[in-house]
Amino acid sequence: DAGITQSPRYKITETGRQVTLMCHQTWSHSYMFWYRQDLGHGLRLIYYSAAADITDKGEVPDGYVVSRSKTENFPLTLESATRSQTSVYFCASSHTGFYSNQPQHFGDGTRLSIL
Amino acid sequence: DQQVKQNSPSLSVQEGRISILNCDYTNSMFDYFLWYKKYPAEGPTFLISISSIKDKNEDGRFTVFLNKSAKHLSLHIVPSQPGDSAVYFCAALLTSGSRLTFGEGTQLTVNP
Repeated sequence: DAGITQSPRYKITETGRQVTLMCHQTWSHSYMFWYRQDLGHGLRLIYYSAAADITDKGEVPDGYVVSRSKTENFPLTLESATRSQTSVYFCASSHTGFYSNQPQHFGDGTRLSIL
Repeated sequence: DQQVKQNSPSLSVQEGRISILNCDYTNSMFDYFLWYKKYPAEGPTFLISISSIKDKNEDGRFTVFLNKSAKHLSLHIVPSQPGDSAVYFCAALLTSGSRLTFGEGTQLTVNP
């Protein structure tokens, strides 16, 4: 089925560990995004990508690394996880990025807990 | 600096009545405003949007009103249905700044 899928849905890890969240979309959208959702903050943009091999920082990029070698995949890596990175992470994609009101389409999220 | 604020964390209404969700913003340069709906354990889904040059946009039971002088927008749902129970996020798009800024969300509960 066409859509955007995130894996894993749930992850528990320890501080200092590296963890990678996966995102895959089948729409061939140019733009992909990573957000985190925290109580009292809504959704905040971590990184986004306009195309393969083009990435840019969002509002809260510190502690995260992204790559985009293929259009359909946009993994997010926490190189050394900290408790403050405990959150729900959403991946999204869209055709036009921020240049029109064409909406972003979101995956169902990854709930990450760092102990 | 929270540029988009939803001051009501929750709202409860009776089925069939009107639900009004509010959103305030500080940046007068925002180009579009969008509303997303989110059910538990799912991602947000797009509901309706409005351009900054408009003051109203309607789609079925959903209407968004924009008051630029007050930097305020609202989402009206008429009539409300139990299936509308969800978290609603207001978002503002700044095309020149490559940003979509979200509010904190409002939990709407529609009681049968």
